Amino acid sequence: KAGVTQTPRYLIKTRGQQVTLSCSPISGHRSVSWYQQTPGQGLQFLFEYFSETQRNKGNFPGRFSGRQFSNSRSEMNVSTLELGDSALYLCASSLADARWSYNEQFFGPGTRLTVL
Amino acid sequence: AQKITQTQPGMFVQEKEAVTLDCTYDTSDQSYGLFWYKQPSSGEMIFLIYQGSYDEQNATEGRYSLNFQKARKSANLVISASQLGDSAMYFCAMREGQGGGSQGNLIFGKGTKLSVKP
Repeated sequence: KAGVTQTPRYLIKTRGQQVTLSCSPISGHRSVSWYQQTPGQGLQFLFEYFSETQRNKGNFPGRFSGRQFSNSRSEMNVSTLELGDSALYLCASSLADARWSYNEQFFGPGTRLTVL
Repeated sequence: AQKITQTQPGMFVQEKEAVTLDCTYDTSDQSYGLFWYKQPSSGEMIFLIYQGSYDEQNATEGRYSLNFQKARKSANLVISASQLGDSAMYFCAMREGQGGGSQGNLIFGKGTKLSVKP
């Protein structure tokens, strides 16, 4: 069974640009969560989608948005990029509703975004 | 206040020895889950082990075991017989609540960098 895939793996953008990252969950998984990882802030939750609906959102500005398609693939978009958006963006998928405490999340390899 | 605290930024262990990575957590929920993930330099987060708040026995998965002390709110990861491939960042994480009471996201600690020496 294929794991979680994320594209692209590496991305370089300049300030003010916008970017779209893609995540394909494990087949059959309906929940997709996004996390941002930086050296200073560590791993922070961005949002979670379940069956095409955003169910939960972390404490990030509105420049960060996402969506999920009917095949469970998800995209996240960051508009008006800032230097501080440079990070590893990790996507995780799970079979069931992410609210259940035991719900193993499988992570993808991440997209490393550099903003110049 | 931090919900997940990992007090060891870095640790060294000799190959074939056991090592304990510390994790304490803070929650007022009765139902929660605790996770440990490994992140090699490649960046992918690899799930290692899970402990539910109602689980009476400590979780074990191969060379990994979780020393769960609920009253002290600690969930330390024990790796037995360390291998060179165990060198990585290790993150403790918590998911609070269950069902409708949970937001569902994982809350991560800052991580511990483990280096295994040959």
